[in-house]
Amino acid sequence: GAVVSQHPSWVICKSGTSVKIECRSLDFQATTMFWYRQFPKQSLMLMATSNEGSKATYEQGVEKDKFLINHASLTLSTLTVTSAHPEDSSFYICSALLTGSGYTFGSGTRLTVV
Amino acid sequence: GENVEQHPSTLSVQEGDSAVIKCTYSDSASNYFPWYKQELGKGPQLIIDIRSNVGEKKDQRIAVTLNKTAKHFSLHITETQPEDSAVYFCAASSHDYKLSFGAGTTVTVRA
Repeated sequence: GAVVSQHPSWVICKSGTSVKIECRSLDFQATTMFWYRQFPKQSLMLMATSNEGSKATYEQGVEKDKFLINHASLTLSTLTVTSAHPEDSSFYICSALLTGSGYTFGSGTRLTVV
Repeated sequence: GENVEQHPSTLSVQEGDSAVIKCTYSDSASNYFPWYKQELGKGPQLIIDIRSNVGEKKDQRIAVTLNKTAKHFSLHITETQPEDSAVYFCAASSHDYKLSFGAGTTVTVRA
């Protein structure tokens, strides 16, 4: 089936630095990607929707200047957490929409900001 | 926007028994209802889904039912096994393709 490869699986960074998370669709083209954040023992919260070649649409309360999303190709979407702080520590997950088939999720990235 | 409620938050069952998780949704325009299983430190994996033109769907030990009038859908797992222990999420989406997730159910299957 369709696979979304997400990297890195975990990352530790210092407060104030930036971290980039990549999601690649393997063997299919992902026109639309979704980015979620999940805190421990909580549900997935949608952060933004990215469409290839256009600006991402952010959910209310999500800082677009802090969470930069780039979807420059049909197989790659990236999320950059800029000037990360400890409160940004979370599990970040991407998902690709497969028209007519549903969604496929990446394996997630555990971000720890120290 | 869509609001999905999920119950129970935790569920403990004896191996071999059935597990049932229920969800309700608020947006009558929602037309796609997937269920995901998430293991610790991993992304969600689709286990079954149903669309609004179908009332029930079954895949081996897993079944989902949908009541559009009442706006609720349920996951049924029969003959539970220890490997079924995980967190399960229901979700709903409509024309904007955004998925709204329930709060999750932690299922523990006791051997």
